[in-house]
Amino acid sequence: DTGVSQDPRHKITKRGQNVTFRCDPISEHNRLYWYRQTLGQGPEFLTYFQNEAQLEKSRLLSDRFSAERPKGSFSTLEIQRTEQGDSAMYLCASSLLGATNIQYFGAGTRLSVL
Amino acid sequence: KQEVTQIPAALSVPEGENLVLNCSFTDSAIYNLQWFRQDPGKGLTSLLLIQSSQREQTSGRLNASLDKSSGRSTLYIAASQPGDSATYLCAVQAPYYNQGGKLIFGQGTELSVKP
Repeated sequence: DTGVSQDPRHKITKRGQNVTFRCDPISEHNRLYWYRQTLGQGPEFLTYFQNEAQLEKSRLLSDRFSAERPKGSFSTLEIQRTEQGDSAMYLCASSLLGATNIQYFGAGTRLSVL
Repeated sequence: KQEVTQIPAALSVPEGENLVLNCSFTDSAIYNLQWFRQDPGKGLTSLLLIQSSQREQTSGRLNASLDKSSGRSTLYIAASQPGDSATYLCAVQAPYYNQGGKLIFGQGTELSVKP
């Protein structure tokens, strides 16, 4: 068990391009969360999955954002037609629904939109 | 809607001082409260987790307390060291039965410990 992995660690893109991030959770964890953190702020919830089902999406997740967890394992977060306001750190966390439900975080993907 | 506030936003102390970071939340219906550390440009490291039925947790030089009825938590750091310099984030976990257990974070306290 190597913890939660996120790829890439850094992404620089031009405005209008599409980007996709990947998150590999801890292997037995059935819940997966995405958060976004802008400079100087705490992370904000975007969406979460239980197994392959996406159960909640924040209002922060505009139509340009889509997340999937096709086989209940890894997850992808895609941003279409990126805007400068999308520049942020995107954090993924996973947990095992149970007694403590502790979320373990990955190192994040830092997106810069030029 | 749950809101989490951290005071102060930034704190600078000389090495060796004891210090207290504050966190307040508006809705006492929480599953647990967690304190995280974040180094610049990095992810989150969990420091302490307090279940809603608990009053405090301790780990080494760190002690976190929780008063759910008043919506407050404190993180006490004893004998601070330059290596403690980081941003400290407080997060409450929403109930699982109707809010999916998502974390709601404060804005963080940026701590600088001077040698």
